[in-house]
Amino acid sequence: AQSVTQLDSHVSVSEGTPVLLRCNYSSSYSPSLFWYVQHPNKGLQLLLKYTSAATLVKGINGFEAEFKKSETSFHLTKPSAHMSDAAEYFCVVSGGGGTSYGKLTFGQGTILTVHP
Amino acid sequence: DTGVSQDPRHKITKRGQNVTFRCDPISEHNRLYWYRQTLGQGPEFLTYFQNEAQLEKSRLLSDRFSAERPKGSFSTLEIQRTEQGDSAMYLCASIPGAVNTEAFFGQGTRLTVV
Repeated sequence: AQSVTQLDSHVSVSEGTPVLLRCNYSSSYSPSLFWYVQHPNKGLQLLLKYTSAATLVKGINGFEAEFKKSETSFHLTKPSAHMSDAAEYFCVVSGGGGTSYGKLTFGQGTILTVHP
Repeated sequence: DTGVSQDPRHKITKRGQNVTFRCDPISEHNRLYWYRQTLGQGPEFLTYFQNEAQLEKSRLLSDRFSAERPKGSFSTLEIQRTEQGDSAMYLCASIPGAVNTEAFFGQGTRLTVV
């Protein structure tokens, strides 16, 4: 069984300040972890993924995330927020062994608001 | 545009009516997934296909729901005798056969049951 907990339902930052969106996971397998972003009236877009290679993962638009097995965390960060980053972000764990790969378990989402 | 298309984008129906949604995945992807997203929640897994075989169904998928993927290409999700609780965004995603690859999502079908 696997689960994802996003620790903040809403995060508000000023433009140009750092962003931190927190995620903890639980998985019986060595997990694949993802962050997806959802802008209003648009589909889910992959930001970045961790698949047991480097623990620090770089994604699109300046986002990155660090996989910490000891803390079962996969927090998303960005050094400097931009207005266009305002959206909902989902931390996702992928089904582990056997035929379950690709089956995704989503966190409840974090809405990021960016103030001018 | 991810290459996964869903139709219709919006559907308003009266309670008790049947509705059908369609998903066209990326053509070379052999796995297709359906998820449901309600307001304020993350998407939840409903079912998935490998080629034309439906391999898993969530307990969320009551017997009013049926999904097909004839010939391993597009997929349909039908809801019979809709209820207000069925109002949600229905998302389709496809992935290629390899492990640890990302899922490509369509823009979803928003269902409103009145």
